[in-house]
Amino acid sequence: AQKVTQAQTEISVVEKEDVTLDCVYETRDTTYYLFWYKQPPSGELVFLIRRNSFDEQNEISGRYSWNFQKSTSSFNFTITASQVVDSAVYFCALRTNSGGYQKVTFGTGTKLQVIP
Amino acid sequence: KAGVTQTPRYLIKTRGQQVTLSCSPISGHRSVSWYQQTPGQGLQFLFEYFSETQRNKGNFPGRFSGRQFSNSRSEMNVSTLELGDSALYLCASSSTGGLDYGYTFGSGTRLTVV
Repeated sequence: AQKVTQAQTEISVVEKEDVTLDCVYETRDTTYYLFWYKQPPSGELVFLIRRNSFDEQNEISGRYSWNFQKSTSSFNFTITASQVVDSAVYFCALRTNSGGYQKVTFGTGTKLQVIP
Repeated sequence: KAGVTQTPRYLIKTRGQQVTLSCSPISGHRSVSWYQQTPGQGLQFLFEYFSETQRNKGNFPGRFSGRQFSNSRSEMNVSTLELGDSALYLCASSSTGGLDYGYTFGSGTRLTVV
């Protein structure tokens, strides 16, 4: 069985603060992909990043950065100098090929509120 | 390039009725997946279609069904609606559904069952 845990249900920060969203995953597969999606109030999930299980290189994209650590099964997401437009629900997802079928498991999401 | 289009955006139905939701994927995308999102259960996978064939299915009762047409458009049908079916239904497409592809999601159809 696979599982994605986002322990933080809601986070509030003041604009310009840094914030880290945690994601812990479980899978027995050795090949898998991890994703982060953003869901603004409009409802549409927006793809942010994907990382495969063989690439532990951390990534920075503008104010966003991701820290993937297989040793702790974590794929954390940091927003630097947060802005009000970052307010949304953020989902971490795990995609595997289990028994010949693609399987995607989403975490329960972390609601981020950035206060001006 | 047009995104994933879901219609209708909002729907109100009565218990016991049936409903059909539509999803048009990005042009050229052959994989369409459906998800149900509720506050209590989060995002739950319903099924995935690829080239008109159901390739994967989640743990939902048989009242939930779907299909995909030759132009990759997909429909999802829910029969004998229950109050608990009230949710945001999201459709996602990808070009091949391969392991490394992220989805492109539509804005969803918000279904309210009264």
